[in-house]
Amino acid sequence: ETGVTQTPRHLVMGMTNKKSLKCEQHLGHNAMYWYKQSAKKPLELMFVYSLEERVENNSVPSRFSPECPNSSHLFLHLHTLQPEDSALYLCASSPGTSGSNEQFFGPGTRLTVL
Amino acid sequence: GQNIDQPTEMTATEGAIVQINCTYQTSGFNGLFWYQQHAGEAPTFLSYNVLDGLEEKGRFSSFLSRSKGYSYLLLKELQMKDSASYLCAVAPIYNFNKFYFGSGTKLNVKP
Repeated sequence: ETGVTQTPRHLVMGMTNKKSLKCEQHLGHNAMYWYKQSAKKPLELMFVYSLEERVENNSVPSRFSPECPNSSHLFLHLHTLQPEDSALYLCASSPGTSGSNEQFFGPGTRLTVL
Repeated sequence: GQNIDQPTEMTATEGAIVQINCTYQTSGFNGLFWYQQHAGEAPTFLSYNVLDGLEEKGRFSSFLSRSKGYSYLLLKELQMKDSASYLCAVAPIYNFNKFYFGSGTKLNVKP
């Protein structure tokens, strides 16, 4: 596989469930990101990892918990979510801090919280 | 804080030229990006500007004026497949790993 992959592509969960989103990049990049995209709102940066260390956490509620075990994998653990958390969750990766630092996005996970 | 503004929606005719504007106010500036996002798909990179001026890439060009906090994406010879949302994003100078996105401009290309 090439590029950035995400699983699952669609997820429906209740507010008491625990689930995890997975992202994998096959580009040899050093930085990975989680974004939330809600209807008619800007992409919201949630977490940034550079060389497996979290460098940004934009005041995201603790019910979202990221994990980056290595530079190719990124997880987003979900628990006790709210209906307003329903959105498209996008993972991205970039080479690092040099050059244009173009981000490559995965296809996203469409999350619905009931 | 960061403030990035784009028109919400635009309509243009196949074969025409369209210009999508983006204005920004950020704490420091390191580069401006344009992404294309088709409905239900991931954003894909179109262009990157770090210096003032025009960057041309095939049918797409992107312009930047840092003093005015202004950029535009120019699409020539529009095709139906260009119907998508176009996202403007700014990277601040103090944190090159961080991006601030505008809400996107939905472009409708009509025959």
